[in-house]
Amino acid sequence: DAKTTQPPSMDCAEGRAANLPCNHSTISGNEYVYWYRQIHSQGPQYIIHGLKNNETNEMASLIITEDRKSSTLILPHATLRDTAVYYCIVRVATGGGNKLTFGTGTQLKVEL
Amino acid sequence: DTAVSQTPKYLVTQMGNDKSIKCEQNLGHDTMYWYKQDSKKFLKIMFSYNNKELIINETVPNRFSPKSPDKAHLNLHINSLELGDSAVYFCASSENRGSYEQYFGPGTRLTVT
Repeated sequence: DAKTTQPPSMDCAEGRAANLPCNHSTISGNEYVYWYRQIHSQGPQYIIHGLKNNETNEMASLIITEDRKSSTLILPHATLRDTAVYYCIVRVATGGGNKLTFGTGTQLKVEL
Repeated sequence: DTAVSQTPKYLVTQMGNDKSIKCEQNLGHDTMYWYKQDSKKFLKIMFSYNNKELIINETVPNRFSPKSPDKAHLNLHINSLELGDSAVYFCASSENRGSYEQYFGPGTRLTVT
């Protein structure tokens, strides 16, 4: 699996957009980019995933660069409840099982 | 109507004991997983079952034995507990073995003294 690099921590003001970067310069052509988050003392929660194109759902947007070597997760209007550790994961989904490998992630702190 | 539930939430036990953690999902998913999150917060997969068949078995001591009586349940039995087994154990499920989205349970905090 491709290795990912994320900043250890970020701050964001409530109501503003939170932009969380992820570098995955060794990503292969068939590897997807997944984002999960873990709110303190809870299980991880799926946010979004993508292969090449930008993706948007009710939680966030995922912007993947054209060379696919980096991506940005965007929370358009961050709230206090978005304070969590955000994990960027790169993985091939195969029939042999989707084995997610979590790194250290980015601790996002949303403040008033 | 919790999607993925685990029992117990907290487990404190002594070294050498045998303990089990239970997991149930009511999502109708085919695939279930066990992850371990250590004290440094690293989250690593341990096992995965698809329709009661073991499909992922990471390098885990054979003191850990998963059991899947049916596709809605995946239990984790740990023999001869050691201090290093102290961690939070998360169960997860996904629609099938290739699904992008995994649903995680609330975790079981195991403390071995």
